[in-house]
Amino acid sequence: GESVGLHLPTLSVQEGDNSIINCAYSNSASDYFIWYKQESGKGPQFIIDIRSNMDKRQGQRVTVLLNKTVKHLSLQIAATQPGDSAVYFCAENIEMNTGFQKLVFGTGTRLLVSP
Amino acid sequence: EPEVTQTPSHQVTQMGQEVILRCVPISNHLYFYWYRQILGQKVEFLVSFYNNEISEKSEIFDDQFSVERPDGSNFTLKIRSTKLEDSAMYFCANRRTAASYEQYFGPGTRLTVT
Repeated sequence: GESVGLHLPTLSVQEGDNSIINCAYSNSASDYFIWYKQESGKGPQFIIDIRSNMDKRQGQRVTVLLNKTVKHLSLQIAATQPGDSAVYFCAENIEMNTGFQKLVFGTGTRLLVSP
Repeated sequence: EPEVTQTPSHQVTQMGQEVILRCVPISNHLYFYWYRQILGQKVEFLVSFYNNEISEKSEIFDDQFSVERPDGSNFTLKIRSTKLEDSAMYFCANRRTAASYEQYFGPGTRLTVT
């Protein structure tokens, strides 16, 4: 089947700390993964993505790690800021029988950053 | 930077009424999607649309739902006879090409069915 899930529903950190948000996926055929940030009342906002032929990708203050052996994805946020407070979703790109693609989202982790 | 826009931001309707949710995708994008998010839950795929046709739909997308691009620009989701359980945030998303997997999401429409 297809499912993407998150280990921790809420993560509370202090400003300046590094944050790690984890995600497990079940579809070994998935070739692309995305992390989205969702602030209250807004749509998912792209943060960073990674293709299955990579195990690490870095952006500005964010790093995504992919471990295909255990089907695990993580998002690392360096020097977390109050503005990082949001719900973070991992999403898995799945190719359907038609050849078209859809995103399957995890349940989300709420990141709370205290000043 | 181009953005996906959606209207209305909030729609309140009575059970059994028809609603149309509207989206203006990014202009040069070719693949269009609708997702929904019930309060406190994850984002769920509803339907994908390409070349003026539905390419894939989920089990949620039953006969009460339809999508179209009425003027080649806007992208709409219609629910013919709303049910209480249709209350959710509805997000439009689009993707530029077959080779670019990133989907850009709109801000969503909050649908409340009473």
